[in-house]
Amino acid sequence: EPEVTQTPSHQVTQMGQEVILRCVPISNHLYFYWYRQILGQKVEFLVSFYNNEISEKSEIFDDQFSVERPDGSNFTLKIRSTKLEDSAMYFCASRPLWGGGTDTQYFGPGTRLTVL
Amino acid sequence: QQPVQSPQAVILREGEDAVINCSSSKALYSVHWYRQKHGEAPVFLMILLKGGEQKGHEKISASFNEKKQQSSLYLTASQLSYSGTYFCGANAGGTSYGKLTFGQGTILTVHP
Repeated sequence: EPEVTQTPSHQVTQMGQEVILRCVPISNHLYFYWYRQILGQKVEFLVSFYNNEISEKSEIFDDQFSVERPDGSNFTLKIRSTKLEDSAMYFCASRPLWGGGTDTQYFGPGTRLTVL
Repeated sequence: QQPVQSPQAVILREGEDAVINCSSSKALYSVHWYRQKHGEAPVFLMILLKGGEQKGHEKISASFNEKKQQSSLYLTASQLSYSGTYFCGANAGGTSYGKLTFGQGTILTVHP
């Protein structure tokens, strides 16, 4: 069964450094998402992406964050200058159709980001 | 605003049943239920759509009360594998592009 994959599984970085988290969504999916989960807390929406542009973003997704689909398969989240509070598990998700919330979002296994 | 889940935690013995509720103050288009085990990604369980359609699992069922904007997840004859944190994700439809706003989670522990 197709699945969303993410790399790396764990990323450790120094405060102020740039990180890029990578995701390969399921191949026929058209909508892509990033969520994050701070340890012990709920999953929080960061951004949705469709047709090569951001369709919606949360307050968390400030100028330090950017997303890109550099080719037909990868979907990346970049944090320009990491802060301690960016430490979290970052999940990528994708779904097949656009227009409403009727379709399942499939989550990747996550990247644990630790900022020291 | 995030949906509110209740209870916050449930402890069961194998074979017992549980109900987890998810309430929203906003009108919802769909509710998505996920289970997450420690250190793992959320796994899809069920979607409930406005109008009553649902798609999901065998031993897990759910309901969606549009008047109350509340969804309930029913876990019957629980197994050890049901342990985990259950999240409901609310979608408001319209121009929300499928964004899910998650509740705070319900921790379910099943003992032998």
